[in-house]
Amino acid sequence: DAKTTQPTSMDCAEGRAANLPCNHSTISGNEYVYWYRQIHSQGPQYIIHGLKNNETNEMASLIITEDRKSSTLILPHATLRDTAVYYCIVVYTVTGANNLFFGTGTRLTVIP
Amino acid sequence: ETGVTQSPTHLIKTRGQQVTLRCSSQSGHNTVSWYQQALGQGPQFIFQYYREEENGRGNFPPRFSGLQFPNYSSELNVNALELDDSALYLCASSLARVAGDDEQFFGPGTRLTVL
Repeated sequence: DAKTTQPTSMDCAEGRAANLPCNHSTISGNEYVYWYRQIHSQGPQYIIHGLKNNETNEMASLIITEDRKSSTLILPHATLRDTAVYYCIVVYTVTGANNLFFGTGTRLTVIP
Repeated sequence: ETGVTQSPTHLIKTRGQQVTLRCSSQSGHNTVSWYQQALGQGPQFIFQYYREEENGRGNFPPRFSGLQFPNYSSELNVNALELDDSALYLCASSLARVAGDDEQFFGPGTRLTVL
């Protein structure tokens, strides 16, 4: 199963773009990259996912490199409410189940 | 709000007891997954149920078991509780589309404390 590597923590100024990197060098061709975030002991919140192409939704953009070995989550205009632990996850399947393997994530702190 | 609810919010048990945690999935979601999150760690996959049958299991012993019902509700049962079972237990529901292309929506969790 593919694993991910993320920085332990990052800071971002309020109103600026937050760029969260993730390495997943052992990803397989049919494995998706997902991003979730968790705000202080609440349930994780789905942000975005992608396979090969870059993706954008109302929350964020996901940029996946051409070799798929790394990706970047972009929050275009960070607010204080974006302070959370962000998990980059490669989804692997075990007997048909889509398992989310959460690592330790990146703790993003948005600074006023 | 994800539309996924869990009960109870908090629970205190003693070692050796049994516990049942409950989850109500989003309407129409046919898949539910359960995760255990110890303090300071990321969630760990316990198992997944698809159309009322176990569809995959993480590295958890058989004393962790589950049920999924036709009305989009599900249960996580843990027998012979141990101190290390103290954690936040999360359920997540999804629609089980193409393998891998299936976002999961999490409930708020149940905080279990084993004394």
